[in-house]
Amino acid sequence: QVQLQESGPGLVKPSQTLSLTCTVSGGSISSGGDYWSWIRQHPGEGLEWIGYIYYTGSTYYNPSLKSRLTISVDTSKNQFSLKLSSVTAADTAVYYCARDRVVGVGLNWFDPWGQGTLVTVSS
Amino acid sequence: SSELTQDPPVSVALGQTVRITCQGDSLRRYYASWYQQKPGQAPILVIYPKNNRPSGIPDRFSGSTSGDTASLTITGAQAEDEAVYYCNSRDITGNHLGRVFGGGTKVTVL
Repeated sequence: QVQLQESGPGLVKPSQTLSLTCTVSGGSISSGGDYWSWIRQHPGEGLEWIGYIYYTGSTYYNPSLKSRLTISVDTSKNQFSLKLSSVTAADTAVYYCARDRVVGVGLNWFDPWGQGTLVTVSS
Repeated sequence: SSELTQDPPVSVALGQTVRITCQGDSLRRYYASWYQQKPGQAPILVIYPKNNRPSGIPDRFSGSTSGDTASLTITGAQAEDEAVYYCNSRDITGNHLGRVFGGGTKVTVL
């Protein structure tokens, strides 16, 4: 079965770029019908969808983050990545990657999720 | 982005039924999915469109939709169901390609 695992630095300095990678195992990131999303959760708060990528490289971002966000895919490594630039303390959160299943028009859900990784923005 | 509004925290007696709701204009057009999150853990899918349960999720979990409101019902709540539940659907601003989550509802099993 498909499993996802986030990796990357747990501490990032303000104004720098936050970089995370999600490694997909048990299935191919290039399988049709699946998108690959990043989601974050600020401490003690709810879930915020960040954006997704398709294996072709097509992306869609949350408009609130779009100006600072880049999501990319490496099909040879079965990985997708997130880069968020000019970070501030407000970007401190647990970051999750998830498979974004799309079946038919408007039918989508996230399953499975990675375990999440806490990224703290602090000097 | 469009909004999904969920109920404030609720409590349910062990073995009783609880229904939590998720309201938003996007639900008139798109189905919701529901996620359970326990402290310190990643969310897991409990209901996916169209009100289906993934394998491994007990049949006491069910989903429904009416108008602009989606509901998650736990029939015969168990202690292990205590968690925060989030709904998710499409963001209907722009070209409807984005996703949006509700704010979550904490369910306490007494």
